[in-house]
Amino acid sequence: QQQVKQSPQSLIVQKGGISIINCAYENTAFDYFPWYQQFPGKGPALLIAIRPDVSEKKEGRFTISFNKSAKQFSLHIMDSQPGDSATYFCAASMLGTYKYIFGTGTRLKVLA
Amino acid sequence: NAGVTQTPKFQVLKTGQSMTLQCAQDMNHNSMYWYRQDPGMGLRLIYYSASEGTTDKGEVPNGYNVSRLNKREFSLRLESAAPSQTSVYFCASSEPDSRYTFGSGTRLTVV
Repeated sequence: QQQVKQSPQSLIVQKGGISIINCAYENTAFDYFPWYQQFPGKGPALLIAIRPDVSEKKEGRFTISFNKSAKQFSLHIMDSQPGDSATYFCAASMLGTYKYIFGTGTRLKVLA
Repeated sequence: NAGVTQTPKFQVLKTGQSMTLQCAQDMNHNSMYWYRQDPGMGLRLIYYSASEGTTDKGEVPNGYNVSRLNKREFSLRLESAAPSQTSVYFCASSEPDSRYTFGSGTRLTVV
């Protein structure tokens, strides 16, 4: 119930294409869903986050789609660029708590 | 720049040796965390400290101890290192319901 399942494990996309990473959760008490981006040799950094009262959130080329009934959320990267090549982690937490449950990560490579 | 500072950045230990990973944050956050990152396993919580003076076990606490020295500092100790503890360790800090700020990590190899 505490797991967040992330797929795919790795992804290769051509420059200009759309990258899509999916996550699924079981615990309906989760109510905060962030995505973190990690470049090699660096710590993860918050990219974008969503709460379940909205079905979509967009920030520039990055969009989170949220399906509460299916308990799934996904990250879409439009017009993917080589600079987007990184590892992406989804996560979930409950408001008022301190702990995130992270997915296992997706290594994205965008080909020039 | 404000942030989370981890030391050391790299370390090689022999099996059975002990060491302490140091972490300090200058954002006045109440909560601090230690995660380990392993290929295919994502980020797994070792210990966390919701506030100064408190610590709690996370998902994978065995073989580790922590100390919340003050509001700024949260250290992770390996008393008797094992090869299974070879990993990249990240410290993070946050306020409740707020983003985590991660350090740049410590790459530990136990031989």
